[in-house]
Amino acid sequence: QVQLVQSGAEVKKPGASVKVSCKASGYTFTNYYIHWIRQAPGQGLEWMGIINPNSGSTTYAQRFQGRFTMTRDTPTSTVYMEVSSLRSDDTALYYCARAYSSGWSEGFDFWGQGTLVTVSS
Amino acid sequence: SSELTQDPAVSVALGQTVRITCQGDSLRSYYASWYQQKPGQAPILVIYGKNNRPSGIPDRFSGSSSGNTASLTITGAQAEDEADFYCNSRDRSGDHRMFGGGTKLTVL
Repeated sequence: QVQLVQSGAEVKKPGASVKVSCKASGYTFTNYYIHWIRQAPGQGLEWMGIINPNSGSTTYAQRFQGRFTMTRDTPTSTVYMEVSSLRSDDTALYYCARAYSSGWSEGFDFWGQGTLVTVSS
Repeated sequence: SSELTQDPAVSVALGQTVRITCQGDSLRSYYASWYQQKPGQAPILVIYGKNNRPSGIPDRFSGSSSGNTASLTITGAQAEDEADFYCNSRDRSGDHRMFGGGTKLTVL
């Protein structure tokens, strides 16, 4: 069965970095794009970016360019989201999600459980 | 504009039909997908494409689109449908995605 399992919660100080992992299983890793989505406490979903696990190519939402880096490790079927120079407003749940696409139809059909990143001094 | 707009809150009587809408210029070119999120849980996909339901999603959920508006309809709403609902689609460039602000559905 398809699963996306994310790393555990993190507490970081402002200015530090964090790297969240998302390990895929139950399907061919390189066949499906992975998206990252952020949800601040009590807020809505925010699309951060997409990574092609086959090529490693990435596209970021404009507000997530610069301090945010998506990577993948194909042998372990794992994608990563690294956030540098953490600020208090980076405190949020970070989700990875697999994208199913068929023609112009697309949906995030499997989600990780979410990783809570707390930035606090 | 590069935005998807949803009503913040909608209510429906138990067993009645409710439509949740999502407006945006990019919806003239791209389909929306819809996600249900209950408190403390990750979102789940309920509708994608023209009107496709993933396995396990009840057939009371359906999707439609007209012009710049995509709609999620729940026919015969159940108590367990109470949740936040989000639409998602591509932006006008097609390279990025975006979520609507979410609609909190209350089943009375």
